[in-house]
Amino acid sequence: EVQLVESGGGLVQPGGSLRLSCAASGFSFSSYAMSWVRQAPGKGLEWVSAIIGSGGSTNYADSVLGRFSISRDNSMHMLYLQLNSLRAEDTAVYYCAKDRVGSGSYSDAFDVWGQGTVVTVS
Amino acid sequence: SYEVTQPPSVSVSPGQTASITCSGDKLGDKYACWYQQKPGQSPVVVIYQDNKRPSGIPERFSGSNSGNTATLTISGTQAMDEADYYCQAWDSSTAWVFGGGTKLTVL
Repeated sequence: EVQLVESGGGLVQPGGSLRLSCAASGFSFSSYAMSWVRQAPGKGLEWVSAIIGSGGSTNYADSVLGRFSISRDNSMHMLYLQLNSLRAEDTAVYYCAKDRVGSGSYSDAFDVWGQGTVVTVS
Repeated sequence: SYEVTQPPSVSVSPGQTASITCSGDKLGDKYACWYQQKPGQSPVVVIYQDNKRPSGIPERFSGSNSGNTATLTISGTQAMDEADYYCQAWDSSTAWVFGGGTKLTVL
């Protein structure tokens, strides 16, 4: 079974830092690009960051560029998101999501999502 | 930056057809997909590459994308289809862009 399990969320003060983790299982992890998508309370989905299968290229939404950093450890089947200089508007459920196509590069949709981890900045 | 727009809400009677639109500049030149999200759950893709259904998604879900509008159509809508639906546009230059979501109510 393909599964993504996020962890690392919590309550942090403005200006603080957190590191989110996503444990992947059930698929060839290094073959798939991965993303983080967040959802503020009562709001819609917002793509945050993505990384290709090899880890050699990353992309960020303008809202987090320079503050967040995505990385992966293919040997451990782990995806990470380092959140720095946190702001109240970063409060959200953070989901990790698997790219639909296992080309190693990015594709059009996310076919597996984790259950999310809650980040509260206050 | 690129944006796509959805109506905040759509209502439909059980058994009828629901249509949810997603609008964006030359959206038809990009791929559109649709996610269903029920309260307290993670999103699930119901349509990808404009009109393809993942395995396990009922045939009543269909999609189209042309010009500036992508459309999710649910034929014979059931009570279990009540959820929030998000469109998402993608191409290699704009990355992944989500619409604001549409709450589908089955009355």
